[in-house]
Amino acid sequence: DTGVSQDPRHKITKRGQNVTFRCDPISEHNRLYWYRQTLGQGPEFLTYFQNEAQLEKSRLLSDRFSAERPKGSFSTLEIQRTEQGDSAMYLCASSHESPGQPQHFGDGTRLSIL
Amino acid sequence: GQNIDQPTEMTATEGAIVQINCTYQTSGFNGLFWYQQHAGEAPTFLSYNVLDGLEEKGRFSSFLSRSKGYSYLLLKELQMKDSASYLCALRAGNTPLVFGKGTRLSVIA
Repeated sequence: DTGVSQDPRHKITKRGQNVTFRCDPISEHNRLYWYRQTLGQGPEFLTYFQNEAQLEKSRLLSDRFSAERPKGSFSTLEIQRTEQGDSAMYLCASSHESPGQPQHFGDGTRLSIL
Repeated sequence: GQNIDQPTEMTATEGAIVQINCTYQTSGFNGLFWYQQHAGEAPTFLSYNVLDGLEEKGRFSSFLSRSKGYSYLLLKELQMKDSASYLCALRAGNTPLVFGKGTRLSVIA
């Protein structure tokens, strides 16, 4: 068990470009979550999957954001036409389905929009 | 909706005890989590409370009162490495966690 891994660790891109991030969860976890975190704030929920099904998306999630988990294992988060306000740390977490099970976080992808 | 409130910053002395409070409003309460997050790193799980009372885990303890919408994290025998942000997170029903803004703890010599 190597924990949750995210790639890349850092991404710098120009405004208007598309970016894609990858998350590999802990292998036996069937739930996978994406969060966004800015300086001085707690993680903000974006979306989550149970196996390959996307069960919930935050109302705050613009239609420029899309996430997939095609085989119920790794997930990708894509941001199209990036904007300055998209600069943040994007965190992925995974857990078992049971409510009392904690979410385990990856180290995140830090996105900087020039 | 859910609302979580915790102090923004706290300072404590090495070797001392510190209590970080978290108050919340929610419907369908189904658990409260505490996470530790060092600067630039991922949050790491510390504790989980779903019933009233105290859960102890080494130097860290967490308390919950559901009727008061209140929890605290207690850190004993503070060490410099405990300097971090401490995040209170709430679950309602079987939904994803909602996090507070975090309390940044500075441990000084």
